[in-house]
Amino acid sequence: GAGVSQSPSNKVTEKGKDVELRCDPISGHTALYWYRQSLGQGLEFLIYFQGNSAPDKSGLPSDRFSAERTGGSVSTLTIQRTQQEDSAVYLCASSFPRNLGYFGPGTRLTVL
Amino acid sequence: KQEVTQIPAALSVPEGENLVLNCSFTDSAIYNLQWFRQDPGKGLTSLLLIQSSQREQTSGRLNASLDKSSGRSTLYIAASQPGDSATYLCAVETGANNLFFGTGTRLTVIP
Repeated sequence: GAGVSQSPSNKVTEKGKDVELRCDPISGHTALYWYRQSLGQGLEFLIYFQGNSAPDKSGLPSDRFSAERTGGSVSTLTIQRTQQEDSAVYLCASSFPRNLGYFGPGTRLTVL
Repeated sequence: KQEVTQIPAALSVPEGENLVLNCSFTDSAIYNLQWFRQDPGKGLTSLLLIQSSQREQTSGRLNASLDKSSGRSTLYIAASQPGDSATYLCAVETGANNLFFGTGTRLTVIP
């Protein structure tokens, strides 16, 4: 079956512009995570969705970052007024809670 | 806050050698521990998941162990192959519904 997909695979934007990153999780997975991986850094947790519960937003680095998950499936991560330090690979993962996490290929964001 | 450390940061071995990757974590109150591999330019691939009540998991040439009380896990790769070259990440899941990742071990298997 299909894995986790993310789009776009690459995004180049100018400082100050808004961007939207999309994640399509594996069908039926109730848990969805967003992470980012900056150059030379480990994976940084951003946000977690579980079913219809309120998301865990504790990892979002600033109020310029937001995410939503519509209908318990597709998720969109939005970064407003992008800054150069936002450049990273943004990874989405889905799973059944407490089970193997399946990651998407990521979106490489470059802010010029 | 949970901290996950992986040693070594990089490892080069000749093909056919058995090897061990190490992962340690500071808070033993975990639900599970996962090992992933990450190939350059690609996302993460799940390898093994060990529940907190388990001691080890095996998949093919991979064996992962977990000693929760001491905060350690090892990933054993038998008869390494060039295709095993990748970065290996361990991650622990806590009650905060979060996976805390280590910074990884970059493995190079030399043909």
